[in-house]
Formats: sequence, C-alpha cells, structure tokens
Amino acid sequence: AQSVTQPDIHITVSEGASLELRCNYSYGATPYLFWYVQSPGQGLQLLLKYFSGDTLVQGIKGFEAEFKRSQSSFNLRKPSVHWSDAAEYFCAVGASGNKLVFGAGTILRVKS
Amino acid sequence: ETGVTQTPRHLVMGMTNKKSLKCEQHLGHNAMYWYKQSAKKPLELMFVYNFKEQTENNSVPSRFSPECPNSSHLFLHLHTLQPEDSALYLCASSRGGTDTEAFFGQGTRLTVV
Repeated sequence: AQSVTQPDIHITVSEGASLELRCNYSYGATPYLFWYVQSPGQGLQLLLKYFSGDTLVQGIKGFEAEFKRSQSSFNLRKPSVHWSDAAEYFCAVGASGNKLVFGAGTILRVKS
Repeated sequence: ETGVTQTPRHLVMGMTNKKSLKCEQHLGHNAMYWYKQSAKKPLELMFVYNFKEQTENNSVPSRFSPECPNSSHLFLHLHTLQPEDSALYLCASSRGGTDTEAFFGQGTRLTVV
C-alpha cells in the first residue's frame, strides 16, 4: 500500500535561512507527488506537484522540490524563509482509487 | 478563492442534534472527497465519490452519512455525534481518473458539545 513519511514533526528556522522539509514515499510505480501547505484553521493549498519529466519542480511562493527515485524522496526546499511561511506542510502521493495519501505533516516555525 | 466552498465555516452542535455540512465545487471536477483533520492526528480520508458514486468509505461510523447529488455538490449529514468527532472537516475535489491533484475547501470547524 502507498504511504508517506514526514520524519520531522516540527522544524524551526530563522527568517532568511534556507529550509528543507523531508518526505519519503512508498509506491510501486512512478508516483504522483504533491506538497500542500495549511495555515491555521484553513484548508490545504497546493504548493507544487510532480507527475513526470524534470525531477526538480518549481512551485508557488518560491518553493521547489526534488524527486529522487533512488531514495524514494520528494523533499521541499526554499532558499530563504519568510515569517509568512510559518504553517504546516503536507507531502502526499497519488494512490489507487483516485485519492491522495498524506504524510502526518511538518509544522514550520520561523523565528525572527 | 480555491473554487471549493464549504459551509458553514464553524458549527457547534449537541450530541443529539442533526446537522449537515455542505461542499460545492466550481471547477468542473468529477471526484469529491471528505477528510477529517483532528488535532495531533494525520489527515483521515473518510469518503470518495467519483461521478456521484461512492467509491470509498474508509470505515467511517454510520453517524456520518455522505450524499453526492451531482458532481458539484457534496454533503455530510451528521447525527448523534460524539465529542471526539470534533475536528476540522475538509472537502476536496479533483478531475478524477489518474489525476489525483486535489483542491481543498477552507473546512468546517465542528465542535460537538
């Protein structure tokens, strides 16, 4: 069965510092991979997605992610974090039955 | 504006009440979903509908009853809930088929008292 692991429950970074959020997936075929962001009390907003092709994908708000098949990873990165990036981030993989399987999420705190 | 609208945004209900959550999508999608998000727990997929037909019920208690009258509307009827059902309920839609990119509503914050 498909699964997603986000090993970090919380991450704290300083404003202006770089960020990397980790995501590992389990899926037999070429996966459809997603990163979503959720602000408190809000729904999930899609940051970026990978379906095929270039393994480095660009998203909104200056985020990017790199698909590494050999490591079953799809880590999210941002070169310089802004205070407004504080939120919860979810990695997801497209699964059979036309649904998404989500990781448990990583809460990002940004300190000034 | 995400194209997926949920009402109400907040709901407080007693354990003996009956209420309904509504979701509407304006994206022309064919699949709709209900998710439950509780504090300190992962997102839980509850139901999946494809072309108005329920294709997944993730062992959800019968006190939650979904309804999908057409591809644009999805309801979640609630009755005799328990306090542990308090959570953020999220609706989502996607094009369907192999395209699982989901678009989410803002959610309904449900409190059962």
